[in-house]
Amino acid sequence: EAAVTQSPRNKVAVTGGKVTLSCNQTNNHNNMYWYRQDTGHGLRLIHYSYGAGSTEKGDIPDGYKASRPSQENFSLILELATPSQTSVYFCASGDPDIYEQYFGPGTRLTVL
Amino acid sequence: GDSVTQTEGLVTLTEGLPVMLNCTYQTAYSTFLFWYVQHLNEAPKLLLKSSTDNKRTEHQGFHATLHKSSSSFHLQKSSAQLSDSALYYCALRIDRGSALGRLHFGAGTQLIVIP
Repeated sequence: EAAVTQSPRNKVAVTGGKVTLSCNQTNNHNNMYWYRQDTGHGLRLIHYSYGAGSTEKGDIPDGYKASRPSQENFSLILELATPSQTSVYFCASGDPDIYEQYFGPGTRLTVL
Repeated sequence: GDSVTQTEGLVTLTEGLPVMLNCTYQTAYSTFLFWYVQHLNEAPKLLLKSSTDNKRTEHQGFHATLHKSSSSFHLQKSSAQLSDSALYYCALRIDRGSALGRLHFGAGTQLIVIP
């Protein structure tokens, strides 16, 4: 069974603070993705990666950085968190030839 | 550019009635469409996928047919069950350049089935 895990599952941060969301996959997929989920907007792509050492900007990258230090791990970094970044964040993995993305359980981030 | 439109944000149905969730898309490139389902406090999961024009695809009682002439991929089920209550996303796969394998999601349709 494909497995994507995220940590933490819940996070409360202060405005201006740094937040790091972590994602780990055991699927050996090359591609990994970070989305945020907001009512009325659906799942929007923030950053993605094609493999260790690579990161690409998605549709809404402003205010976010990403890091892919290994095949298994993909982090999303908020250097200066703002209340507008309060959301649920999902990580996913997948490869173009399998035509499916596998999602992690999500991280609920609240920025006060 | 690429886009996916789900016209209903919320659909409320009585158990046993048919389900139809709308999805239309716009793209100038190859077409691969998906439906993902997300139950409360769970991760989104793949429900259906298709790239074949006018061919019905089915899974777990749901079905959808990709119609390239009308750019549609509506999700249907003959009889709604309480367990179908969930958030449903239609998604378009982007396969060009550096975007190979990316998905573009619609805004989602929340389906609530009541007894």
